[in-house]
Amino acid sequence: KAGVTQTPRYLIKTRGQQVTLSCSPISGHRSVSWYQQTPGQGLQFLFEYFSETQRNKGNFPGRFSGRQFSNSRSEMNVSTLELGDSALYLCASRPRQETYEQYFGPGTRLTVT
Amino acid sequence: AQTVTQSQPEMSVQEAETVTLSCTYDTSESDYYLFWYKQPPSRQMILVIRQEAYKQQNATENRFSVNFQKAAKSFSLKISDSQLGDAAMYFCAYRGDILTGGGNKLTFGTGTQLKVEL
Repeated sequence: KAGVTQTPRYLIKTRGQQVTLSCSPISGHRSVSWYQQTPGQGLQFLFEYFSETQRNKGNFPGRFSGRQFSNSRSEMNVSTLELGDSALYLCASRPRQETYEQYFGPGTRLTVT
Repeated sequence: AQTVTQSQPEMSVQEAETVTLSCTYDTSESDYYLFWYKQPPSRQMILVIRQEAYKQQNATENRFSVNFQKAAKSFSLKISDSQLGDAAMYFCAYRGDILTGGGNKLTFGTGTQLKVEL
């Protein structure tokens, strides 16, 4: 079974632009979570989607948004990029919302210049 | 809010030796889950071991075992017979009980960089 895939793997954007990152969960997994990893703040939870509904949200500004499609694929969008948004964005999926084990993707490395 | 603390930014171990990584956490919940994740240079997060708080028995997975002390809110990871492939950043993580509103989010510690030396 294929693992969690994230596209693109690397991305360079300019301050003020917006960006969309994609995550395809493991086949059959319905829950997708997003995390931001930076050297300064470490790993921080962004949000979780299950059955196309946002179930949980971390403490991030409204510039960070996401959605989930009927095939469980998820996208996250960051508008008006700031230098501090440079990070590794990790996506994780799980079969059901109550399952405790998450499977992580390889991440998307976003650099904002 | 829950917090997870890893007080060892770096640790070194000789190949074939044993090393213990420390983790403490703070929570007011009675039921929760604790995890150790490994992040090698490839940046792929890999689940190493998990522990349910309601279980008194410490979890083990081959060469990896934990020492879970619920009252002390301590959750250390022991790696036996260390191998070169164990070199990675190790993160301790907490997840609350979804039924009590803890949700599915993982709260991570700051990580411990483990170096394995020949």
